[in-house]
Amino acid sequence: EAQVTQNPRYLITVTGKKLTVTCSQNMNHEYMSWYRQDPGLGLRQIYYSMNVEVTDKGDVPEGYKVSRKEKRNFPLILESPSPNQTSLYFCASSSGLGAGVESGELFFGEGSRLTVL
Amino acid sequence: QKEVEQDPGPLSVPEGAIVSLNCTYSNSAFQYFMWYRQYSRKGPELLMYTYSSGNKEDGRFTAQVDKSSKYISLFIRDSQPSDSATYLCATPKAAGNKLTFGGGTRVLVKP
Repeated sequence: EAQVTQNPRYLITVTGKKLTVTCSQNMNHEYMSWYRQDPGLGLRQIYYSMNVEVTDKGDVPEGYKVSRKEKRNFPLILESPSPNQTSLYFCASSSGLGAGVESGELFFGEGSRLTVL
Repeated sequence: QKEVEQDPGPLSVPEGAIVSLNCTYSNSAFQYFMWYRQYSRKGPELLMYTYSSGNKEDGRFTAQVDKSSKYISLFIRDSQPSDSATYLCATPKAAGNKLTFGGGTRVLVKP
């Protein structure tokens, strides 16, 4: 089954404790991206990757890191989480050159709800 | 001003009614427009997309784009309780490196 898998789905942590949210896709997609979803603010892009070893900042990259060592994996790293990073995070992938110039179809994971105390 | 804006709702309708959802956008360079559906505790999934102006129909769903007024619409005919979800409009930037989403409209279809 084609899917984007995120882990953990739910996490409560404390300020400053480094954490990693993993993302893996089995569709051989070139493009992967991380979004956060907050009430009233919608989905905002954090980082994206057009291919292995190619990553770039989205709209809200502060406090996050990513890496793309393998095509299928795109982990999101919070080196020193803060309460304002409490959010619902989505990883997404696309077969297009980017977010899909022609079709715009992003395949999303089921989300990771993070609470930072 | 946000690039893509939606009324957050919630929009509550009886089963069988027509659901009408709208978005406005600010950048006249946007060419492709999508509607994503997001069920509770799930990731968004692509419902349909359109290019430039005009209508596109897919079963009970119709998407409309009016580029002159920068207005995007989604209509759901014969709405079902299973249509209860949040609907997000989105458009890609020309460079294609991201989708810009509206905030989403929550829809509740009551049996």
